[in-house]
Amino acid sequence: DAGITQSPRHKVTETGTPVTLRCHQTENHRYMYWYRQDPGHGLRLIHYSYGVKDTDKGEVSDGYSVSRSKTEDFLLTLESATSSQTSVYFCAIMGDLYIGQFFGPGTRLTVL
Amino acid sequence: KNEVEQSPQNLTAQEGEFITINCSYSVGISALHWLQQHPGGGIVSLFMLSSGKKKHGRLIATINIQEKHSSLHITASHPRDSAVYICAVVSNTGNQFYFGTGTSLTVIP
Repeated sequence: DAGITQSPRHKVTETGTPVTLRCHQTENHRYMYWYRQDPGHGLRLIHYSYGVKDTDKGEVSDGYSVSRSKTEDFLLTLESATSSQTSVYFCAIMGDLYIGQFFGPGTRLTVL
Repeated sequence: KNEVEQSPQNLTAQEGEFITINCSYSVGISALHWLQQHPGGGIVSLFMLSSGKKKHGRLIATINIQEKHSSLHITASHPRDSAVYICAVVSNTGNQFYFGTGTSLTVIP
């Protein structure tokens, strides 16, 4: 299994509070991604990174920010959580697009 | 508008049946991936295709680049094949992935 972990695995928080999700890899892969998965939607890209300090927005980036200060860590921050951000969040890493992405176990976030 | 469409959305089969899941896409791609998501939520990659056909055990994946269509076949289906199967394409304009909404497969003993 690819070395990719996410923390926390479950979180319940209140509207308006800041939340940070962490993705950690031990594969030294260049690309890292944050997705959210909701019923009726495919995985949707929030932000991705193509190197340390190099990040870009995905299709659902509003309300989220990211940081990558080290190759192994990619942080997703909700500055002020809203109920619409209740979702399952997946991190993925990729070294070679012809091999594909490896996914973390997911984080279930509930915003009350 | 979804860049990737899958059909059917839900599929129930008897053990032993031959299963086909379809994926159509509307963007130019450099590769297509089939993923499997088990009820526990974990997602694993099954195949990467850029042309032709690939086989792994009872799973066969095909792609027709001209028609922008891919199929995933499962021969001699088994209850342990029950999962959500997701089609994902990599756009040829960058390293972004686009995902279908998945096909939920249930195989009944």
